[in-house]
Amino acid sequence: DAGVTQSPTHLIKTRGQQVTLRCSPKSGHDTVSWYQQALGQGPQFIFQYYEEEERQRGNFPDRFSGHQFPNYSSELNVNALLLGDSALYLCASSLPPSYWGGTDTQYFGPGTRLTVL
Amino acid sequence: AQSVAQPEDQVNVAEGNPLTVKCTYSVSGNPYLFWYVQYPNRGLQFLLKYITGDNLVKGSYGFEAEFNKSQTSFHLKKPSALVSDSALYFCAVRDDLDRGSTLGRLYFGRGTQLTVWP
Repeated sequence: DAGVTQSPTHLIKTRGQQVTLRCSPKSGHDTVSWYQQALGQGPQFIFQYYEEEERQRGNFPDRFSGHQFPNYSSELNVNALLLGDSALYLCASSLPPSYWGGTDTQYFGPGTRLTVL
Repeated sequence: AQSVAQPEDQVNVAEGNPLTVKCTYSVSGNPYLFWYVQYPNRGLQFLLKYITGDNLVKGSYGFEAEFNKSQTSFHLKKPSALVSDSALYFCAVRDDLDRGSTLGRLYFGRGTQLTVWP
């Protein structure tokens, strides 16, 4: 049973560039959430997708956008990169929260380490 | 607003001794509580969760956690620590009153680095 996969593992960009990160959910899951984990911090919620729509959004600027495909995989796009965007970006998959009232477990991928120079 | 506090940045314990990693939370309704572990350069691995029922929850790798509603705590415990338990531990919470635009998101603490020495 494949778990959550993310690509690439590491990425180095310069300020002002754009980046796309990818995630494939765990088998049987159709909901994908993205989190940003800055150094020394806990993960911060960016947004959540299911049924190919953004359903929830955390306190992140519009430079952060996403997409979900019919096969439930997802992309996170960040435009106009800032030094402060350097972080580990985590993808988590689950069943839709509306089915379980928020009790379902989110399973995380290994993350993508983004470094902005 | 929902929040999680992990009051200890670091916990050190000798192998074979019991360990406790502390977590307190704040929610408007009833909490759904989770513990995750993160090894270096890895994502988060799920350990256990409390939704309702028995206050003592058993999880993976011999870990357990005790929910205490009056103290708004959810401390992670293990009777006998192993060197391989050394990792970063995160407590997370959801609020059962969350609906619509906030339903399903997790709120994390800053993490506690556990070091088990031989």
